[in-house]
Amino acid sequence: AQKVTQAQTEISVVEKEDVTLDCVYETRDTTYYLFWYKQPPSGELVFLIRRNSFDEQNEISGRYSWNFQKSTSSFNFTITASQVVDSAVYFCALSEISQGGSEKLVFGKGTKLTVNP
Amino acid sequence: GAGVSQSPRYKVAKRGQDVALRCDPISGHVSLFWYQQALGQGPEFLTYFQNEAQLDKSGLPSDRFFAERPEGSVSTLKIQRTQQEDSAVYLCASSLARNEQYFGPGTRLTVT
Repeated sequence: AQKVTQAQTEISVVEKEDVTLDCVYETRDTTYYLFWYKQPPSGELVFLIRRNSFDEQNEISGRYSWNFQKSTSSFNFTITASQVVDSAVYFCALSEISQGGSEKLVFGKGTKLTVNP
Repeated sequence: GAGVSQSPRYKVAKRGQDVALRCDPISGHVSLFWYQQALGQGPEFLTYFQNEAQLDKSGLPSDRFFAERPEGSVSTLKIQRTQQEDSAVYLCASSLARNEQYFGPGTRLTVT
């Protein structure tokens, strides 16, 4: 069965610090996708990134960067120079091809990030 | 453009009542998903539609849960004879085929 583990339940940092959110996954599939979503206090899940299992290149988008390592089944997310607006719950997710060919998502339990001014 | 919308945003139901939750996906998105998110947890898959066809309902917790998408756009999740353990946020997501899912704001259901 597919599984996503986010070992960090809560992280608290001071503004401008860098912070890394860990994600470890388990799957038997050779082709899969990994995702990160942000859930601010308003509750809506905001899509951040989708990575293909064949593409292990690190990705950077502004202050956000992702490190995908198949050898350790990890897909970690780093926020550089954190800001108060980054405060949210962050979810890592893995796609699973289910009945009917859907790509349903299997989520971790989330990491609550608090950035203090 | 318009994102995924859900209504109502909040619903309080007495135990035993039936409820209906609505989802309007992004126009043109053929795939529609429902997830249930308990407090402090990640979302859990309930069911999936491709257009009007419900292709996967493996995550529905009991036969009290029913979903439909009759015309391939708007979807309704119905819960019959609600129980306290049904209290959660119900999230709807839509996507183009085999692409990232975009989520609505959710409906917070409280069963008293």
